[in-house]
Amino acid sequence: AQSVTQPDIHITVSEGASLELRCNYSYGATPYLFWYVQSPGQGLQLLLKYFSGDTLVQGIKGFEAEFKRSQSSFNLRKPSVHWSDAAEYFCAVGGAINTGTASKLTFGTGTRLQVTL
Amino acid sequence: DGGITQSPKYLFRKEGQNVTLSCEQNLNHDAMYWYRQDPGQGLRLIYYSQIVNDFQKGDIAEGYSVSREKKESFPLTVTSAQKNPTAFYLCASSSGTPGADDEQFFGPGTRLTVL
Repeated sequence: AQSVTQPDIHITVSEGASLELRCNYSYGATPYLFWYVQSPGQGLQLLLKYFSGDTLVQGIKGFEAEFKRSQSSFNLRKPSVHWSDAAEYFCAVGGAINTGTASKLTFGTGTRLQVTL
Repeated sequence: DGGITQSPKYLFRKEGQNVTLSCEQNLNHDAMYWYRQDPGQGLRLIYYSQIVNDFQKGDIAEGYSVSREKKESFPLTVTSAQKNPTAFYLCASSSGTPGADDEQFFGPGTRLTVL
């Protein structure tokens, strides 16, 4: 069974500081990996995704993530956090459901980021 | 602009009533999904549909029902059999290109509260 662990429930960083959010996954094959961001009361927005190829993935809003197969990790990073980055971040792992058209995603429980000025 | 719309944004229900949450997409996506979000639990899959007139149970389908009569629409009914329906419900869709990169796009959500 596929699973995702986000060990940090809540992280606080100062504006301008660097950020790393941890994500570990379990998946029986080559995973598709995603990071989504959610503002309070809103839907999820995709930050970046990994399917294959270069293990360092660039996303929107200055975020990047690195896929490390040996560690089953897909940590999200940003070199300098802005106050507007305060939100909840979800890591997800997935792949095609059998040979159909739908893709089954399993989400972590999320990390809430607080940014202090 | 292409996207996913969900209505209503807020919904209140009395115990014992069925309610239907709307989800519409104009992205021409084949696959659609319903998730439930509770604090501290992430998102859990309720139902998904790969094509019109077909849908499958997800991880927590008990007490819910869906239909997929049109490609762009995937309504979710929360029935009185759902023991704890108060939650935030998210609808998503994906293009459904088998085996290729495929991301899910999310709607803004519906917050259901049972009174």
